[in-house]
Formats: sequence, structure tokens, C-alpha cells
Amino acid sequence: AQTVTQSQPEMSVQEAETVTLSCTYDTSENNYYLFWYKQPPSRQMILVIRQEAYKQQNATENRFSVNFQKAAKSFSLKISDSQLGDTAMYFCAFMRGSGNTPLVFGKGTRLSVIA
Amino acid sequence: GAGVSQSPSNKVTEKGKDVELRCDPISGHTALYWYRQSLGQGLEFLIYFQGNSAPDKSGLPSDRFSAERTGGSVSTLTIQRTQQEDSAVYLCASSLAGGTGNTIYFGEGSWLTVV
Repeated sequence: AQTVTQSQPEMSVQEAETVTLSCTYDTSENNYYLFWYKQPPSRQMILVIRQEAYKQQNATENRFSVNFQKAAKSFSLKISDSQLGDTAMYFCAFMRGSGNTPLVFGKGTRLSVIA
Repeated sequence: GAGVSQSPSNKVTEKGKDVELRCDPISGHTALYWYRQSLGQGLEFLIYFQGNSAPDKSGLPSDRFSAERTGGSVSTLTIQRTQQEDSAVYLCASSLAGGTGNTIYFGEGSWLTVV
């Protein structure tokens, strides 16, 4: 079974600074997908970024980028120029590469951006 | 609709009563997922539908929980004889069929409180 571990229950960052959220996972699969979701107080889970395991290049979406280390099974999220609206729970998630399968989530990191 | 729609958004019920939670996925999405999120916790997978069939119902916590999907669209999650430990946010999500690694989109959830 796949597991996802987020070792930082809570983090804080000053507005405009950079913060990195860590995520590790355990799988015996070679083909899979990794995701970061954001959940603000409104409860809506919003996709932040996704990475295909077969791609070596790290995914980037505006201020959000990942550091994907396949051999180390590590998938960290970097948020640059942090904004107050980035305050939320962040969940790392794993999906097997075969067909449509459910996401396996980590327990989340609560990020607070401080003015 | 434009997004995944869930109802009710909030439900308070007495212990021992049955509840039904409804999910209307994004139009054209044939994969549908139910997750449970207890207070301050990560997301726990409950059940997954592909069309009207459920290839994976491994996450249902007990036989008091059941789900169905009709017409390849709307899904209902039913909890019978509710217990206080059933209090949580129940999140529904959907994705396109076919291919692999399709992004999963979430609704805003149904917040269930059992008193």
C-alpha cells in the first residue's frame, strides 16, 4: 500500500518570503502521479500543482514549484513571494499510474502567512 | 454544472438517525470518489465509482455506510444509525475517465454533526 508523509504539521512564513513544505511517499510502483492540494478555511480542495513521475523536469505553476526527487521518494512544494491568501492547509497526494484510482493523502501542513 | 456540487453543506442529526449526502459531479466526469475528513485530520478514502459500479469500496468503515450512483452521475452516500464518531466533513470528488492520472476535482463538502 502507498503511504504519504508530511512531517510538518504547522508552518508559518512572512509575507513575500519563500517557504518549502515537505512530503515523502512510499511506493513500489514506477508509474504514478503526485499532487499538492490547498484547502483554505472555505473547505474547498484546490489543486495547486501536479507532477508525473516519468517526467524529470520539476513542475511549476506561477509562484508554486516542486522539487521532485524520485529516487528519494520526495516531493516538496516551494511557495515563492508568499501572499496572505496562501494561508491554508496543504495536502500532498499520490495516485497510482494505472487507470483512474483514488488519491492517497498525507495528513497535511497548516501554513500561516503573516503580514 | 461548473463544479462538483454537494448537499447539504451542513447537517446536524441525532445519534441513531440515518442521513443521506448527495454529490453531483462535474458534467462528463465518470469517475466519482467519496472521502471523509475528521476535524484537523487528513482525508480518508471511502469509496470510488467508475460509472455506476464501485471497483473499490475498501474504505467504507462499517456496514452502516453505503453508497450508490445512478445514471453515471449523481451519487448518494448513506450512513445508517449514525454515531458521534461519524461527525466529519464528507468530500466528494470527480474526474474524467480514460487515460491515467486525471486530475481529481473536489466539492465543498458536507459537514455532518451527530449529537
